[in-house]
Amino acid sequence: DAGITQSPRHKVTETGTPVTLRCHQTENHRYMYWYRQDPGHGLRLIHYSYGVKDTDKGEVSDGYSVSRSKTEDFLLTLESATSSQTSVYFCAISARTGGAAQETQYFGPGTRLLVL
Amino acid sequence: GQSLEQPSEVTAVEGAIVQINCTYQTSGFYGLSWYQQHDGGAPTFLSYNALDGLEETGRFSSFLSRSDSYGYLLLQELQMKDSASYFCAVDDSGAGSYQLTFGKGTKLSVIP
Repeated sequence: DAGITQSPRHKVTETGTPVTLRCHQTENHRYMYWYRQDPGHGLRLIHYSYGVKDTDKGEVSDGYSVSRSKTEDFLLTLESATSSQTSVYFCAISARTGGAAQETQYFGPGTRLLVL
Repeated sequence: GQSLEQPSEVTAVEGAIVQINCTYQTSGFYGLSWYQQHDGGAPTFLSYNALDGLEETGRFSSFLSRSDSYGYLLLQELQMKDSASYFCAVDDSGAGSYQLTFGKGTKLSVIP
C-alpha cells in the first residue's frame, strides 16, 4: 500500500460541466500520474508530474489539465466534460528513486466517472 | 511510437499452467513489467525484467528476450483467484522521465 487515495470514488456529471478529480499520496513520491482505463484500450497516460508545478502531457491529454501545488496532491480537471470522457481514472505514483533501475508504479483505487 | 501486443483473452483450468505473451515495439526500452488487475480493482505490480531471462516469484515467473522484443508471464498451479486481467508494460523512461506504456491487457479466466 503506497498510501494513495482518490476522491471522489464515483461521480456522475453532465456534459459541459467542469470536473476535478483529486489524488493524494502520503509518502512524498516525486512522480505522479493520471491514467484513464477503457475497455479494449488498457491504461493510457493522460498527464504526469515530476515535481511541484512540474507537469507534462501523456498520450491522451486533450480535454484535460492538471495541477500540482503540493507534493502530496495531484489534481486532474476536465474543463468541460464530454461523454467520451466517461471512464475509470487511476492515479499512480512511481516508486523509483534516483539510480534505481526498476520502474514500479503503485495505483490508487480509481474514480469511476460517468458523463451524461 | 510505442506498441505492445498481448492476447485479449485466455482461459485455463485450475491447477494448470498458462503463459501470457507480450511483444513490443518501442523507441526506448529499459524493462518489461507485468501488472495484475482484478475486476473493479486497481492494477498491482507483479514483476519487472530488465535483463534477458526468467525471473521467478512464487507461482509466477516472467521472461524477457530483448533481442526478440518479447516477454511472457507464466502462471503455475492456477487458482481461481488468478482470474484477472494481466497487463504487460514497457518501461520507456527517458532521461529524468519515469514512464510506463501499457498493453491492452489479457483477461485470464480460470475454470474448475
